[in-house]
Amino acid sequence: EIVMTQSPATLSVSPGERATLSCRASQSVSSNLAWYQQKPGQAPRLLIYGASTRATGIPARFSGSGSGTEFTLTISSLQSEDFAVYYCQQHNNWPLTFGGGTKVEIK
Amino acid sequence: EGQLVETGGGLIQPGGSLRLSCAASGFTVSSNYMSWVRQAPGKGLEWVSLIYSGGSTYYADSVKGRFTISRDNSKNTVYLQMNSLRAEDTAVYYCARTIAIIIGNAFDMWGQGTMVTVSS
Repeated sequence: EIVMTQSPATLSVSPGERATLSCRASQSVSSNLAWYQQKPGQAPRLLIYGASTRATGIPARFSGSGSGTEFTLTISSLQSEDFAVYYCQQHNNWPLTFGGGTKVEIK
Repeated sequence: EGQLVETGGGLIQPGGSLRLSCAASGFTVSSNYMSWVRQAPGKGLEWVSLIYSGGSTYYADSVKGRFTISRDNSKNTVYLQMNSLRAEDTAVYYCARTIAIIIGNAFDMWGQGTMVTVSS
């Protein structure tokens, strides 16, 4: 099973600033990585798949990069609605596995 | 756009059984891949099970032999039959439409979730 590790656990950012979230895989997953956003009491929402392809309706301020074992989700200018928990998920191997999440909170 | 609505959660004693339902609208479950993903209280996400459009099914090792995913095409509904429940199965269970990417799968539509609590 591929273990996904996200860092930091919590990221404090001011509105309008840039946020950079990291995800590391225990072995190469090529470019087969997705990112999700989850707000309190809500279901997750797909943001990115294939490491860098935005899902339908996702704003351009969300971008993904990386390959192999190191991946990054960047939110270029944080809006109030972006404060949430973000999860990465590898879709290269079975079972599909998620990272532990990064909470983006208001600084 | 479509919607998923899960029902069937509740409090159940260890060793008991429960069946979760996921009613879909706006799309056809039989033409899509469908999954169950769970989230223990205060924890991260764990993929549980997947049913392909062709009917093949897959399970996480943690539930293999105890859980069964199925669907009723006439009701446009997916089910998760959970037997021999354990305390560690306590979680919010989400139904998710599952898309096929070039390699692997991701989850592009989620229900609101249903809480399953396994406790005596």
